[in-house]
Amino acid sequence: QKEVEQNSGPLSVPEGAIASLNCTYSDRVSQSFFWYRQYSGKSPELIMSIYSNGDKEDGRFTAQLNKASQYVSLLIRDSQPSDSATYLCAGRDGNTPLVFGKGTRLSVIA
Amino acid sequence: DAMVIQNPRYQVTQFGKPVTLSCSQTLNHNVMYWYQQKSSQAPKLLFHYYDKDFNNEADTPDNFQSRRPNTSFCFLDIRSPGLGDTAMYLCATSRRSGEYQPQHFGDGTRLSIL
Repeated sequence: QKEVEQNSGPLSVPEGAIASLNCTYSDRVSQSFFWYRQYSGKSPELIMSIYSNGDKEDGRFTAQLNKASQYVSLLIRDSQPSDSATYLCAGRDGNTPLVFGKGTRLSVIA
Repeated sequence: DAMVIQNPRYQVTQFGKPVTLSCSQTLNHNVMYWYQQKSSQAPKLLFHYYDKDFNNEADTPDNFQSRRPNTSFCFLDIRSPGLGDTAMYLCATSRRSGEYQPQHFGDGTRLSIL
């Protein structure tokens, strides 16, 4: 199993809907998780971090972590066309560098 | 204000001609990273520094080298670039090592090898 896996998409949602992005991970990256947004041709931008089981909310974004099932997700409420980007899931174990998934491309249709 | 600055933003160079990419940071972060990202792929870690302690990934090609002369600056040298080295090169920093430390990225250098 790859360390961090994401469905590459594209995931298309209508404007105003909830976008749900999912990520699974292996035992090697099981401690802390980060979601980055990357616009085409730009560098990754940190959106959320999560370390404990459960939900963490920040504005329109909610990160969810389930360590028993080894998945982490990002929900985007009231999706906007400006949310159209690739979303990278990243994890680490201890103080190792982040390991990234390939990203899921999200398209929000106006 | 940009806190992780990469130069140049775009670089076109010839096959086999050495190229150097630079990264500077105003965050005084201990850890610096270089990633390579090809189209539609995950960022791939090339090296990282904990202060001056250099860590090379096992599958980083031998013609990729790095220097960190001080806390603020880090360089990526590609001695003999091949066509397959065309990619976005991302520099990132984190305050210190640790599982809760996010990595902050610069704007990247888009490198094209002709």
